[in-house]
Amino acid sequence: GDSVTQMEGPVTLSEEAFLTINCTYTATGYPSLFWYVQYPGEGLQLLLKATKADDKGSNKGFEATYRKETTSFHLEKGSVQVSDSAVYFCALSGAGGGSNYKLTFGKGTLLTVNP
Amino acid sequence: NAGVTQTPKFRILKIGQSMTLQCAQDMNHNYMYWYRQDPGMGLKLIYYSVGAGITDKGEVPNGYNVSRSTTEDFPLRLELAAPSQTSVYFCASSYSIITFGTGELFFGEGSRLTVL
Repeated sequence: GDSVTQMEGPVTLSEEAFLTINCTYTATGYPSLFWYVQYPGEGLQLLLKATKADDKGSNKGFEATYRKETTSFHLEKGSVQVSDSAVYFCALSGAGGGSNYKLTFGKGTLLTVNP
Repeated sequence: NAGVTQTPKFRILKIGQSMTLQCAQDMNHNYMYWYRQDPGMGLKLIYYSVGAGITDKGEVPNGYNVSRSTTEDFPLRLELAAPSQTSVYFCASSYSIITFGTGELFFGEGSRLTVL
């Protein structure tokens, strides 16, 4: 079945450092890929998405490119801020049948940014 | 501007008790979901619904039941609570099929349940 593997955390960075959180996936067909973010005490919210190969999703300075050849969707940001401290989840939606309605999530990566 | 509202936010249950987690959305979304989040394990889908009167099992449905009598509400019932059901529960909704790019899950703030 579908699965998502993302970088084990926690990740601790200093403000203005470069961030990469790795995400790879296993799925049949052509899934859509997502990054969700969970700030402390809140529910998850969509950060960015990509629906086909070579698409780049971007939002709030974060970027991720859908790489079908490497089955990856790595999250990057050039200069992190303290306010980026959160848990980041990579997710995919299946490409057919009942999978269209559901997201498969990775385990999440806790990011802490220190001033 | 409520979005997805979950109640209660916190609850402690004794083994064998039953309870219902409430979920309501005011965005007129057809699709609704219940996930549980265990530490270091990401989110697992418990049940989902594609419209009023239609529900289906997700990855981890055992010990839970749902109903969808209206578009707005999607309660999750725990029967005979067990320590393994200690978790944070998230309700979510979406307007369209996720795969088609326009789909986006909107989450509630979560309900933290402890079974002792």
